[in-house]
Amino acid sequence: NAGVTQTPKFQVLKTGQSMTLQCAQDMNHNSMYWYRQDPGMGLRLIYYSASEGTTDKGEVPNGYNVSRLNKREFSLRLESAAPSQTSVYFCASSDRDRISTDTQYFGPGTRLTVL
Amino acid sequence: GQSLEQPSEVTAVEGAIVQINCTYQTSGFYGLSWYQQHDGGAPTFLSYNALDGLEETGRFSSFLSRSDSYGYLLLQELQMKDSASYFCAVREDYKLSFGAGTTVTVRA
Repeated sequence: NAGVTQTPKFQVLKTGQSMTLQCAQDMNHNSMYWYRQDPGMGLRLIYYSASEGTTDKGEVPNGYNVSRLNKREFSLRLESAAPSQTSVYFCASSDRDRISTDTQYFGPGTRLTVL
Repeated sequence: GQSLEQPSEVTAVEGAIVQINCTYQTSGFYGLSWYQQHDGGAPTFLSYNALDGLEETGRFSSFLSRSDSYGYLLLQELQMKDSASYFCAVREDYKLSFGAGTTVTVRA
């Protein structure tokens, strides 16, 4: 099992360009998440999908859109990139059906720079 | 909303014990999680406390007091490989809210 995979690993954009970050998990998890992490800070939730067909805003959704394409895939789109969106982006998934525990599995991250 | 407080840095020598405290304020609470992140890597799950008390997993233990909105992560028999950032996170329904992280540096 690959776990959670993300593409690309690195990306440089110019202000105003658009791009989509891809995420896929092979653990049959219901819930998927997108976070951003800025230097010296914790992870901040951008959007999440509690189950296939649903998406909800997290703490910092402005400037982003998401698509839960199917149970495996959850993509994050930047329509018009801004320098403030320079960050490391992590995708995660979890099996929320297990009440006794709560483990999120993270992908390797995408390091995005917006010039 | 949620807010979490944890120390920004801790330094200790190999073999020592380190306790990382976390206090939180949240409108809804399901449990407290701990994650480890090595420099440049992805966060990895360490432990989760939904109920009061101590959970032990090898050299790491985690404690929760729901009445005090407080928890801690205890790292015992520190090893060089434990040098990393440690994040507490509050679970509120489907979402996790993370603290800013504690950087643990282990010295020989």
